[in-house]
Amino acid sequence: GQNIDQPTEMTATEGAIVQINCTYQTSGFNGLFWYQQHAGEAPTFLSYNVLDGLEEKGRFSSFLSRSKGYSYLLLKELQMKDSASYLCAASRMDSSYKLIFGSGTRLLVRP
Amino acid sequence: DGGITQSPKYLFRKEGQNVTLSCEQNLNHDAMYWYRQDPGQGLRLIYYSQIVNDFQKGDIAEGYSVSREKKESFPLTVTSAQKNPTAFYLCASSIGRGQGGYTFGSGTRLTVV
Repeated sequence: GQNIDQPTEMTATEGAIVQINCTYQTSGFNGLFWYQQHAGEAPTFLSYNVLDGLEEKGRFSSFLSRSKGYSYLLLKELQMKDSASYLCAASRMDSSYKLIFGSGTRLLVRP
Repeated sequence: DGGITQSPKYLFRKEGQNVTLSCEQNLNHDAMYWYRQDPGQGLRLIYYSQIVNDFQKGDIAEGYSVSREKKESFPLTVTSAQKNPTAFYLCASSIGRGQGGYTFGSGTRLTVV
């Protein structure tokens, strides 16, 4: 089956750290993507994890545990512009080119 | 610069009309996709194409049609059979097998008037 779960909404304070979790049940799982989407705009690529562990990229880090079917996106030193939706998406190892998307987590950063 | 272009940005449709949304990419990507996004919700797959002259239905294909006559182009037609077409439509492309992730167009907001 294909299922990806993320929290619907989160709120955090400017300057703080927030962790957005994603759990997945995807047959033939290959890797896990995170995208950022501001309201009314297209999603933009943030990170891609294939191997277990933490990938750090500036203020954003992404973690994957294949055995647990779990990933998280960590945002540090939050800024107001980080208010957006964050989409978790899984890719598969089969012939399908499709990504399986979660419903997204809306993050509100408050002053 | 390579990219993916959707047009128009805003589109208004009268009841009973068919409308076509354009999607063009110059990234030399094999695969292209159409998604629909409703307010506060995730992406739902309408159609996708892995190669020219071939395409498959996604999760919500009813009331939509596509063509893939050229590698660069993947237009989506919203037919009168689609009963609730008001939404944000996103086109995306990928190099293949999802490993390179998607590149998204800027989207088309369709409103029925």
